[in-house]
Amino acid sequence: DTAVSQTPKYLVTQMGNDKSIKCEQNLGHDTMYWYKQDSKKFLKIMFSYNNKELIINETVPNRFSPKSPDKAHLNLHINSLELGDSAVYFCASSRFEGYGYTFGSGTRLTVV
Amino acid sequence: QQQVKQSPQSLIVQKGGISIINCAYENTAFDYFPWYQQFPGKGPALLIAIRPDVSEKKEGRFTISFNKSAKQFSLHIMDSQPGDSATYFCAASRNSGYALNFGKGTSLLVTP
Repeated sequence: DTAVSQTPKYLVTQMGNDKSIKCEQNLGHDTMYWYKQDSKKFLKIMFSYNNKELIINETVPNRFSPKSPDKAHLNLHINSLELGDSAVYFCASSRFEGYGYTFGSGTRLTVV
Repeated sequence: QQQVKQSPQSLIVQKGGISIINCAYENTAFDYFPWYQQFPGKGPALLIAIRPDVSEKKEGRFTISFNKSAKQFSLHIMDSQPGDSATYFCAASRNSGYALNFGKGTSLLVTP
């Protein structure tokens, strides 16, 4: 039973396209996140949602828009994809007060 | 701005040896310090975490040492095994409900 699941696992697309990555968690956590891991493996927070409300929005281009239909889901939509968007995107969830960040297995996005 | 500095970038240890990875932080508001292990193609997985009210935490072969005055913490892997070969990330946050600020990672190779 996967705790944090992301789809798709791989995404290859052309520059200028719009794409979405979906994330679902079945841990009952109330906070969800998107992280970006670049080619040097550096992990950086992009967004954080608590109970469907945006609480962290790091310096990320407006082309990236998170959407949380309910507290178990956090999707990432990317408009007008650029070559520099190529990376691995990780969804994660946690309890707001406690421990236990759990990451998904990642979506490798390649923009050609 | 890199809020958590991690060293070394890579580490080679013989089987049975001790692997030591060090991290330093600047923000004294950080109060949660986890370590993550990441295998290729997988998401980061929580290994062990510590809060600044204790100086050491041990779980099996993994120990975190924490020095609040020096703003440093380290991971010790005792009796290192080839299966420990992975990338290790230290992180820090104000509490686990906030964004994790990651170090740049250490690629550990344990040779047979």
